[in-house]
Parts: sequence; structure tokens; C-alpha cells
Amino acid sequence: EAEVAQSPRYKITEKSQAVAFWCDPISGHATLYWYRQILGQGPELLVQFQDESVVDDSQLPKDRFSAERLKGVDSTLKIQPAELGDSAMYLCASSPGTGVTEAFFGQGTRLTVV
Amino acid sequence: AQKVTQAQTEISVVEKEDVTLDCVYETRDTTYYLFWYKQPPSGELVFLIRRNSFDEQNEISGRYSWNFQKSTSSFNFTITASQVVDSAVYFCALSEAPGNNNDMRFGAGTRLTVKP
Repeated sequence: EAEVAQSPRYKITEKSQAVAFWCDPISGHATLYWYRQILGQGPELLVQFQDESVVDDSQLPKDRFSAERLKGVDSTLKIQPAELGDSAMYLCASSPGTGVTEAFFGQGTRLTVV
Repeated sequence: AQKVTQAQTEISVVEKEDVTLDCVYETRDTTYYLFWYKQPPSGELVFLIRRNSFDEQNEISGRYSWNFQKSTSSFNFTITASQVVDSAVYFCALSEAPGNNNDMRFGAGTRLTVKP
């Protein structure tokens, strides 16, 4: 069964350091999402791509976060510099295309900033 | 603005009991979509169901059933004869779907523990 792949699964970094997460969506899925899930809360959308274009990044803290999906396939989310409050689970999801369909999620990257 | 409320933070039941997870939503749109996801301890969110605002038919899938009521803005989820494997955090989500933007807004989740 096709899956959304994310790496690393766990990451510990010191504050002020840079950190990056990678996501490979299900093959053929045009839409890719990055969500942040703080412990005990529901996921919050950070950025949504349609192919290589950003559709929505209104909730992305652009002073320190960046995301790219250069060839419209896999994607990288970067934080620089990391802050203590960035500790969370970062979830990547993909869906087949335009319109509202269910999103399929990866296992996430759990980030701890110390 | 869209909003999802899952008032039950945690629920604990004994195996074989039925349990209902509540979801109340707010939206100004007439066209919207509702979802339920399951998040087991492994972390990934597992899709359970999607329902659009024009389809108020209740749905049953095995031990799972969903009750969508627009009059009360609720989309509740019932597990019949619960099992230990049902233990997880369950999220309800809403998408108002403007254009191509499938911006799902999640509730805070309900942690279900099923004891043997």
C-alpha cells in the first residue's frame, strides 16, 4: 500500500540551530501539506502545495520557517533558527489533486528543541 | 471562520461497550466537508470518513457509524462493541474548501482508551 514517507522520525536539536524535514508523498498526488501538531492539540496547517506552487502559507511563520517542493514531488520544511516553542510533531500529508479529498498522512517527525 | 469543537478530552470504556465521540463545528459556508481521523500511538493520522454538507445520510462501516446533523452542526462518531485496538486519539476536521484550498481545520481530539 502506498504511503507518505517522512524523515527523520525523531530529531533533537539545540535552539538557534537549523533543522530540516523531508517528505515524499504518495506517487501521483499533486497536493502536499505540512501540518504542525503540538502535544495535546490537533494538527494545524502550515503550508499547502499544489504541484510545485504554494497554495496557502498563511499560517507559516515565515521569519524562521521555509518550505519548498521544487519539482512538485518531494518536499522539505526548514526551520532556522529553531526555538523551544517549535517542539512538536511535524506531519506531512498528500492528496490526489484539486478539490476536497481526504489527505493521507505520514508518520511524522517529532522535533524536540533543547 | 471555521471551527471544530471536540468537548470530550478523554474517554475511557471497557471492551465491548459502545462509545460516542462528539464533534460540533462552526462554518458560514453552505458547502463544506467533514472528516474523522484516527491517530494511534504510532503517530500517523488514519483517514476514517469524509462527508460533504449536502449528504446528511448516516453511515455505517462495520463497528463504526457516523451521525451527521446539520440542524445541530454535529458530526458524531460511534464505535459499537469497542475493542482494545480502538484505543487512539480521534480527530474531527472541517474543510470549507474555497477553490483548490483544502484547508482542514482539526479539533483538539478525543483520547479514547478501551480497557480489556
